[in-house]
Amino acid sequence: DGGITQSPKYLFRKEGQNVTLSCEQNLNHDAMYWYRQDPGQGLRLIYYSQIVNDFQKGDIAEGYSVSREKKESFPLTVTSAQKNPTAFYLCASSIDQSKDRGFTGELFFGEGSRLTVL
Amino acid sequence: AQKITQTQPGMFVQEKEAVTLDCTYDTSDQSYGLFWYKQPSSGEMIFLIYQGSYDEQNATEGRYSLNFQKARKSANLVISASQLGDSAMYFCAMREGILEYGNKLVFGAGTILRVKS
Repeated sequence: DGGITQSPKYLFRKEGQNVTLSCEQNLNHDAMYWYRQDPGQGLRLIYYSQIVNDFQKGDIAEGYSVSREKKESFPLTVTSAQKNPTAFYLCASSIDQSKDRGFTGELFFGEGSRLTVL
Repeated sequence: AQKITQTQPGMFVQEKEAVTLDCTYDTSDQSYGLFWYKQPSSGEMIFLIYQGSYDEQNATEGRYSLNFQKARKSANLVISASQLGDSAMYFCAMREGILEYGNKLVFGAGTILRVKS
């Protein structure tokens, strides 16, 4: 089945360590996104990529890095520079453009990765 | 200013009754899209319904309808005949500008809905 796979589902990290969250999609979508979710704050955009080998910062990119070497993969690294990394991280993808009249461009999400810093 | 405001942190509804979840938005763009997503306790985000700024009719998808009032900048979600499985967090989101400029969504803080039997 087509979809978005995030791994690991749960991750524990010691302070000062970098950690990489995996996101793979087999939907053949051009665009991919990383969001962070904290309690009571909804989702905030970290990074997004509309095409391979290109990505842009979102609203809260500090302390994070990404790469987009393949269309289907968009890993997120949470670096030691991120001051408060404990959160729920959601990866998403979308068709970037379409001439279909009913096209909405909704995001398709993975099941998320919960990162806890000890 | 908040782009998306959901003023109801939590709502209760009796099973089989209808419920309205509020959402107001702020944008100066003429072209934009409004989305509602459902997030069960498992964490995945489920797309429910979409309304384009130029759509004249309110969007409907099964038991979900979107009460779109453009002049008031509101896009409330109406769930009819609530079911126990509707208990979840609900997010309103907006995409500003035309799709060719990207598909980034801005989300509200969410509303937790609890359906009582």
